[in-house]
Amino acid sequence: EVHLMESGGGLVQPGVSLRLSCGASGFIFSDYAMSWVRQAPGKGLQLVSAIDGRGTNVYYADSVKGRFIFSRDNSRNTIFLEMHSLRAEDTAVYYCARFAGSWPMFPSFWGQGTLVAVS
Amino acid sequence: ETVLTQSPATLSVSPGEAATLFCRASQSVNSKLAWYQQQLGQAPRLLIYDAFMRATDIPARFSGSGSGTEFTLTISSLQSEDFAVYYCQQYNSWPYTFGQGTKLEIK
Repeated sequence: EVHLMESGGGLVQPGVSLRLSCGASGFIFSDYAMSWVRQAPGKGLQLVSAIDGRGTNVYYADSVKGRFIFSRDNSRNTIFLEMHSLRAEDTAVYYCARFAGSWPMFPSFWGQGTLVAVS
Repeated sequence: ETVLTQSPATLSVSPGEAATLFCRASQSVNSKLAWYQQQLGQAPRLLIYDAFMRATDIPARFSGSGSGTEFTLTISSLQSEDFAVYYCQQYNSWPYTFGQGTKLEIK
């Protein structure tokens, strides 16, 4: 059974850094691209960043480019999102999501999310 | 950036009836469009990918159609568990984008 578990969220002040993690199980981790998708309170979905199965290619939304770093450790079946210079507008539930294959396409399985509140 | 516009924002339908949701792209996304369902307080769930392919374990009452810039999600014979928010998402070009959502509510 596919399982994704996010951790690392919390309440932080503007300007600080935070690192999110997402542990995966139930599938061959390196075979799948992964993503972080966020949802601000009462708002829609935004695909923040994506990484291919090998970790070679990483993509960022313009709103986080230069502030967030997305990485993966295939030996630990874990992805990370380092978030720097956090802003109030980064407040959201951050979902870890697995794409359907080794290349970023559509998220086919989602974790339950972790809340990041910047205030 | 490809902007996806969903309509209507809210749709009120009675259980047992059909619902049709629309998603329009600002430029062609070919058939690289997915649909998701999100229940209140839960993570989204993939329903449809490649515009019309049902994801694993998705009931046959959910169907998708369209290509290019115009897409529809149809839910035939609505069940109580179908009342939720629905999002479309394009993965034709980065940044991949979502529509703003359609809330399907009980009439």
